[in-house]
Amino acid sequence: EPEVTQTPSHQVTQMGQEVILRCVPISNHLYFYWYRQILGQKVEFLVSFYNNEISEKSEIFDDQFSVERPDGSNFTLKIRSTKLEDSAMYFCASGGTSGTGELFFGEGSRLTVL
Amino acid sequence: RKEVEQDPGPFNVPEGATVAFNCTYSNSASQSFFWYRQDCRKEPKLLMSVYSSGNEDGRFTAQLNRASQYISLLIRDSKLSDSATYLCGLNTGKLIFGQGTTLQVKP
Repeated sequence: EPEVTQTPSHQVTQMGQEVILRCVPISNHLYFYWYRQILGQKVEFLVSFYNNEISEKSEIFDDQFSVERPDGSNFTLKIRSTKLEDSAMYFCASGGTSGTGELFFGEGSRLTVL
Repeated sequence: RKEVEQDPGPFNVPEGATVAFNCTYSNSASQSFFWYRQDCRKEPKLLMSVYSSGNEDGRFTAQLNRASQYISLLIRDSKLSDSATYLCGLNTGKLIFGQGTTLQVKP
């Protein structure tokens, strides 16, 4: 069964450092997403990506964040100058051809900022 | 009013019980609706889409009430393995979630 894969599964970083989280979406999917879940809180939408550009982003997704699809398979989330409050689980998701909301999520990358 | 609201629970029920969750939403332009399941410290997984006419998948029944702006999930004959957090999802051009309702099924 096709799946979304994410690396690393856990990353510990110092405050102020840059982090790149990587995702390989399902190969024939066209819509890609990043979500964040702070421990004990809801799953929050960060950004959606379609046709090689951001289609929508939330208020959380400020200049500290960026996304890229550098090679047609990977989908990355870069967090510049990390803050303590960036500590969370980051989920990548992909959707098929219609963008309806039936998404497949990766297992997540846990980011701990010290 | 929050875009998506759910009672966080937990709902503690015995095996075999029937349990129902509601989710209310504020954006009347919401296009499509879903229930996702999230196990502890795991990723959300699609449980079922919610159709206007209501739909059933085994022990699970989903309903949509556009007039009152809520969706519901009914679980019959609860199993221990149903213990999880159930997320209400709305597609408003992007998929957003409620905070989830936690279900604990006890032996």
